[in-house]
Amino acid sequence: QQQVKQSPQSLIVQKGGISIINCAYENTAFDYFPWYQQFPGKGPALLIAIRPDVSEKKEGRFTISFNKSAKQFSLHIMDSQPGDSATYFCAARVRWDYKLSFGAGTTVTVRA
Amino acid sequence: EAQVTQNPRYLITVTGKKLTVTCSQNMNHEYMSWYRQDPGLGLRQIYYSMNVEVTDKGDVPEGYKVSRKEKRNFPLILESPSPNQTSLYFCASSVDRGEKLFFGSGTQLSVL
Repeated sequence: QQQVKQSPQSLIVQKGGISIINCAYENTAFDYFPWYQQFPGKGPALLIAIRPDVSEKKEGRFTISFNKSAKQFSLHIMDSQPGDSATYFCAARVRWDYKLSFGAGTTVTVRA
Repeated sequence: EAQVTQNPRYLITVTGKKLTVTCSQNMNHEYMSWYRQDPGLGLRQIYYSMNVEVTDKGDVPEGYKVSRKEKRNFPLILESPSPNQTSLYFCASSVDRGEKLFFGSGTQLSVL
């Protein structure tokens, strides 16, 4: 079964709005939490990543919030642009064997 | 140009006919991995390799084989493909234990 549960499956946001994608996990052996962005017909590309000793990381308009006690992390896309329309995957990596588990993905559509 | 190259891009085959999907990276990365992407399931790890001659199972290894005889190449072998292996496959590599994965462009496989 999915080790990382991602929601929502899809979302539509107006240009300039905020997109929020949530992920939850149970395995406390995860030590690295990346987000990947995928455009149609392309492979995923790393967007931003966080480690559990940090509660927030920001890169440009993209922010990861991490809640270790709740075993949840989320991606916020501020000032969403049509070029942000893509599928976003959260993921988590096990500390000792480097297995990487992905969420099911969220398709974000930004309306102009 | 740094890249992960997969071939072929599209493949249609019949049940039971052995096939190989090739993957090559030019970044001297030690870590390589294969994923399959299915709607609603996200990316699931098939096999990964920490270095030459070192491979390990991911979450969905059944029906697949891999080998890592050279650092740059990591082929995925389907000895006897079945229709449930119809999927979009991605190869990826990374310099550091699965962090910052670089993905190939994908191989769309259909098994009839």
